[in-house]
Amino acid sequence: EVQLVESGGGLVQPGGSLRLSCAASGFTFSSYWMTWVRQAPGKGLEWVANIKEDGREKYYVDSVKGRFTISRDNAKNSLYLQMNSLRGEDTAVYYCARGGKTVVSYWGQGTLVTVSS
Amino acid sequence: QSVLTQPPSVSGTPGQRVTISCSGSSSNIGSNSVNWYQQLPGTAPKLLIQSNSQRPSGVPDRFSGSKSVTSASLAISGLQSEDEADYYCAAWDASLNGYVFGTGTKVTVL
Repeated sequence: EVQLVESGGGLVQPGGSLRLSCAASGFTFSSYWMTWVRQAPGKGLEWVANIKEDGREKYYVDSVKGRFTISRDNAKNSLYLQMNSLRGEDTAVYYCARGGKTVVSYWGQGTLVTVSS
Repeated sequence: QSVLTQPPSVSGTPGQRVTISCSGSSSNIGSNSVNWYQQLPGTAPKLLIQSNSQRPSGVPDRFSGSKSVTSASLAISGLQSEDEADYYCAAWDASLNGYVFGTGTKVTVL
């Protein structure tokens, strides 16, 4: 059974940093693109970033370029999102998901990030 | 901002057929396959339709998808109360180099 478990969310002040983690199990992690998607309170889904199987190709939504970094450790079956210079508009539930360009299939339950003073 | 446009809401009575449209452009729907997601209240999204019209294992055949040029549609036939949810279309956008989602549609069962 595919499982994706996010962690690392919480309350952070504007300008602060946070690192999200996603532990994957139930599939061959190193064979799949991986993606982060976020959802602000009461809003729709927004793709944030994705990363190729070997980590050599990464894409970001314009609003996070230069502030967020997606990475992965295939030996640990883990996906990460380093978030710096956080803003109020980054407040959202962040989902880890399996897949990349063609389809994003399985999703984790999400971790809430709140940016507020 | 979303580049795929959906109606904010659709509604129907139990047993009825409803459709949700998703309008895009040549850089997304026009050149890549469309996927649909169902998000029940308070839960993570779930893949409902992939590659325009394919249902993943476990998805009832009441749900069907189609695509034509730069638009796509999701149909729910035999509407049931448990279908009340938010629905999103999505596709890779070659110009933005990103996986774009639709604006989302709330389905209400009257």
